Amino acid sequence: GQQVMQIPQYQHVQEGEDFTTYCNSSTTLSNIQWYKQRPGGHPVFLIQLVKSGEVKKQKRLTFQFGEAKKNSSLHITATQTTDVGTYFCALFSSGSARQLTFGSGTQLTVLP
Amino acid sequence: NAGVMQNPRHLVRRRGQEARLRCSPMKGHSHVYWYRQLPEEGLKFMVYLQKENIIDESGMPKERFSAEFPKEGPSILRIQQVVRGDSAAYFCASSPLGIDRGYGYTFGSGTRLTVV
Repeated sequence: GQQVMQIPQYQHVQEGEDFTTYCNSSTTLSNIQWYKQRPGGHPVFLIQLVKSGEVKKQKRLTFQFGEAKKNSSLHITATQTTDVGTYFCALFSSGSARQLTFGSGTQLTVLP
Repeated sequence: NAGVMQNPRHLVRRRGQEARLRCSPMKGHSHVYWYRQLPEEGLKFMVYLQKENIIDESGMPKERFSAEFPKEGPSILRIQQVVRGDSAAYFCASSPLGIDRGYGYTFGSGTRLTVV
């Protein structure tokens, strides 16, 4: 199946600083999804990107899909303590396997 | 709308016992997915089911693990003769259509299995 590399693995920021996590694939993706998992919680769907170069915003979160559809990023402006958690990208496994493959995640810590 | 219901939330089993994890998908969702998450790690796909059918079990260990989604009742993930390495969080997710139709997963709260 398709593989995706997500970086960084960990990120510590001071409250108010910006944060970005990246997902990179060696193959062209049909789409990419992003999830957030709070400590001790379960993953929550944030968004799906489908089109080349697509940019979507949710309040302080900006999601981008690369022009070549091989990479994606999630950017948080002016982080807050409520942003703490692990952010996963996930991609659709093509072929006979109809399921999502998740990246390894970026664990965000926001220091007050 | 009750969301995806998983039970139990926490399960402790001794080595060699059986573990049964239950998942009721959201109302109207007919696609169920099971994932395993080891501490500090990502989500690993195990199995994808629709009612009475296993669609993809490529992530399931060949032995001791089985899953079903009967016509009536919840989906069950069954682990026989548990070992310490089975200790993990097991998440169930559901979607209204196949994931290739562009729907995100709705996850349950998970079952934290501890094998002692």
